[in-house]
Amino acid sequence: AQRVTQPEKLLSVFKGAPVELKCNYSYSGSPELFWYVQYSRQRLQLLLRHISRESIKGFTADLNKGETSFHLKKPFAQEEDSAMYYCALGHSWGKLQFGAGTQVVVTP
Amino acid sequence: DTGVSQDPRHKITKRGQNVTFRCDPISEHNRLYWYRQTLGQGPEFLTYFQNEAQLEKSRLLSDRFSAERPKGSFSTLEIQRTEQGDSAMYLCASSSDRSSGNTIYFGEGSWLTVV
Repeated sequence: AQRVTQPEKLLSVFKGAPVELKCNYSYSGSPELFWYVQYSRQRLQLLLRHISRESIKGFTADLNKGETSFHLKKPFAQEEDSAMYYCALGHSWGKLQFGAGTQVVVTP
Repeated sequence: DTGVSQDPRHKITKRGQNVTFRCDPISEHNRLYWYRQTLGQGPEFLTYFQNEAQLEKSRLLSDRFSAERPKGSFSTLEIQRTEQGDSAMYLCASSSDRSSGNTIYFGEGSWLTVV
C-alpha cells in the first residue's frame, strides 16, 4: 500500500540550529515527492519537489530510494520557518497523498 | 487575488442538513481536486476533475457526497444528510496539465462543523 509517514508531530528547535524533518514513503513505482508548507493563517503551498533538486528558503530535500526517504533539511533555522510541513507523494495526474504533518516551532 | 477561492469559509450546520461548498479554481486550470482535512491529519484526497469530467473518486467519498464541475470551471461539493464525522476542513486545489511540473495550488479551505 502507498503510504507517507512523518514520524514527528512536533519539532522544536532554536533559531540558528539545524532542522531535519523526516519523511518515509512506500510506493511501488517511481515516486514523485513534494514538501508542502502551511504558515499560520495561510493556505497550503508548495515548498519544493524532488525533481527540481533546488533549494527553497534554504531548505533542501534528497530522495533516497534505498531508504525510501525524502527528509527535509535546513542548516540554520529561522523564526519565520515556524509552520506546518507536509510531505506528499504525487501521482501522474496530480493527486497528492500527504503525511500527517510536522509542526515546526523555531524559538529565539 | 487570483488564487483558488472557496466559499463559504466557515459553515456550521445541524446534523442531517445538506451543505454545499463552492470552489473557483485559478483561471484556465483544467484540473481540480477536493481534499478533506481533519485535526492532526494531512489532507486526504476526495475527488479529481479534468475539465468537467470527474475522473477519480476516493473511497472516502460516500454516497452522501457529490461533486460537480459542470462547465469545467467552478466546482461544487455537496454533502447530504451531514453527520458529525463530516466535520472537517474541505480543501479545493487546482492545476494545469499544460504547465511544467503540474504545480497544485490550494484554496484556503471551507471549515465545516456539524452539530
